[in-house]
Amino acid sequence: AQTVTQSQPEMSVQEAETVTLSCTYDTSESDYYLFWYKQPPSRQMILVIRQEAYKQQNATENRFSVNFQKAAKSFSLKISDSQLGDAAMYFCAYRSANFGNEKLTFGTGTRLTIIP
Amino acid sequence: DTAVSQTPKYLVTQMGNDKSIKCEQNLGHDTMYWYKQDSKKFLKIMFSYNNKELIINETVPNRFSPKSPDKAHLNLHINSLELGDSAVYFCASSRMGISGSYNEQFFGPGTRLTVL
Repeated sequence: AQTVTQSQPEMSVQEAETVTLSCTYDTSESDYYLFWYKQPPSRQMILVIRQEAYKQQNATENRFSVNFQKAAKSFSLKISDSQLGDAAMYFCAYRSANFGNEKLTFGTGTRLTIIP
Repeated sequence: DTAVSQTPKYLVTQMGNDKSIKCEQNLGHDTMYWYKQDSKKFLKIMFSYNNKELIINETVPNRFSPKSPDKAHLNLHINSLELGDSAVYFCASSRMGISGSYNEQFFGPGTRLTVL
């Protein structure tokens, strides 16, 4: 079974600064997807960024980028130029690429606070 | 238009009661999911249905019974509610692809269930 670990229950960053959230995972599969989801106080789950395991290039979405280290099974999220609206719970998630096993396995989350 | 909707958004009930949560998606997806988020914010898959057939059942007590009347709906019925069932329940949907393909899961707004 796959597991996802987020070792930082809480993080804080000054507005406009950069913060990195950590995630490690364990799997015996070679093909899979990794995600970062944001959950603001409204509790809506919002997909921030995804990474395909077969791609060596790290995914980027505007101010959000990942550092994907497949051999180390590490998948960190970097948020640049932090904004007040970035304050939320962030969940790292894993999904198998195998047909019929498309459930998301989540980490325990990191609560990000933005300091004005 | 709401892509994935859940009713109700809040549900407060007494121990021992039976309750249902409804989920509908208008995205034309063929796969739907129920996730449970506990009081510590941990999210875990409960069930997944593809074309009205159960494909994932993650060791959920049999007091929980999902029902999919058609591809656009996946309801969750809970019998004999217990205090530990208090949580936020999320419905999600996606299009099941061929092995190795990616299809985003879209989440509903969640239903906060409180058992007194």
